Amino acid sequence: EAGVAQSPRYKIIEKRQSVAFWCNPISGHATLYWYQQILGQGPKLLIQFQNNGVVDDSQLPKDRFSAERLKGVDSTLKIQPAKLEDSAVYLCASSLAARWETQYFGPGTRLLVL
Amino acid sequence: SQQGEEDPQALSIQEGENATMNCSYKTSINNLQWYRQNSGRGLVHLILIRSNEREKHSGRLRVTLDTSKKSSSLLITASRAADTASYFCATVYSGSARQLTFGSGTQLTVLP
Repeated sequence: EAGVAQSPRYKIIEKRQSVAFWCNPISGHATLYWYQQILGQGPKLLIQFQNNGVVDDSQLPKDRFSAERLKGVDSTLKIQPAKLEDSAVYLCASSLAARWETQYFGPGTRLLVL
Repeated sequence: SQQGEEDPQALSIQEGENATMNCSYKTSINNLQWYRQNSGRGLVHLILIRSNEREKHSGRLRVTLDTSKKSSSLLITASRAADTASYFCATVYSGSARQLTFGSGTQLTVLP
């Protein structure tokens, strides 16, 4: 079975620019998560989707971050405008609704904001 | 703040030795999980232990959970160079919306 796909793998932008990340979860996984992982830290949950609905976005900086999962499959995370402190790895994960306890992670997108 | 905190932050051992990492957390949990992250890669689920379990094994991995002390340990026996990675504990705390809260991780280096 194919894993969680993310693109791009790397992105370098200047502050105040915008950027978008894409995630395609494992087929059949209803739950999708976006995490931010700053260097030297563990992943921090940004937003959780169940199908195409948002379960929790309490830690998403909504003034600059947005995410959508329109058809309940793939998802896009956007940052606009980016700040220096947004430099991090953005990880996407998915899980089955019935076996939600185990999350499967994609390789991540490494973002550098200059 | 993050739920779990790992100790030590970094660990360096020789191949064949055992590696022990510890995790402490703050509130009641439903379960606790350990993940591995190789450099530049995503996280891989290793093992899950529920709040009513005290010990669990999977291959060379042994996890213990002490809910009275709010702590867990991960033991990797007979380590290999391929075990070099960051290890994170993640908790699902009681009442959460099926979410993981990760600690800051332990960087394990296994020297050949």
